[in-house]
Amino acid sequence: EVRLVESGGGLVQPGGSLRLSCAASGFTFSSSWMSWVRQAPGKGLEWVANVNQGGSQIFYVDSVKGRFTVSRDNAKNSLYLQMDSLRGEDTAVYYCARYSGDESFQSWGQGTLVTVSS
Amino acid sequence: DIQMTQSPSTLSASVGDRVTITCRASQSISYWLAWYQQKPGKAPQVLIYKASRLGSGVPSRFSGSGSGTEFTLTINSLQPDDFASYYCQQYLSYPITIGGGTKVENK
Repeated sequence: EVRLVESGGGLVQPGGSLRLSCAASGFTFSSSWMSWVRQAPGKGLEWVANVNQGGSQIFYVDSVKGRFTVSRDNAKNSLYLQMDSLRGEDTAVYYCARYSGDESFQSWGQGTLVTVSS
Repeated sequence: DIQMTQSPSTLSASVGDRVTITCRASQSISYWLAWYQQKPGKAPQVLIYKASRLGSGVPSRFSGSGSGTEFTLTINSLQPDDFASYYCQQYLSYPITIGGGTKVENK
């Protein structure tokens, strides 16, 4: 069974930093593209970033470029999202997802809430 | 960027109804479209990918059609478990973009 478990969310002040983690199991993590998708409270879904199997290809939505950094550790079956210079509009539930070019977001974690507020 | 527009934003229906949700892309995306269902407080789940292919374990009352710029998600005989929000998403090119969602409510 595919399992994705996010952690690291919490309350952070504007301008602050936070690092999210996603622990993967039940599939070959090192062979999978991975994604971060977020959802602001009461709003729709927004794709944030994709990373390829080896971490050499990474794509970001414009609104987080230069502030967020995706990385992965295939030895630990883990995906990360380093978020710097956080803004109020970054407040959202952040989901990690297994991505494929065929099926898009195949599997999702339960999400972790990030609140940016003073 | 490719804009994805869903309609309606809210839909009131009853158990047993046939429900149709439309998604339009601002430019052709061929068949690179997925549909997701999301229930309150839960993560989304894929229903349809490549416009018309049923996701694993998804009931056959769900179907998708369309190509190019216009797509449809149909739920035949709406069930109590189907009251939820639905999103379309294109994955032809980056940035991946997602429609604003359709909430299916109980009439």
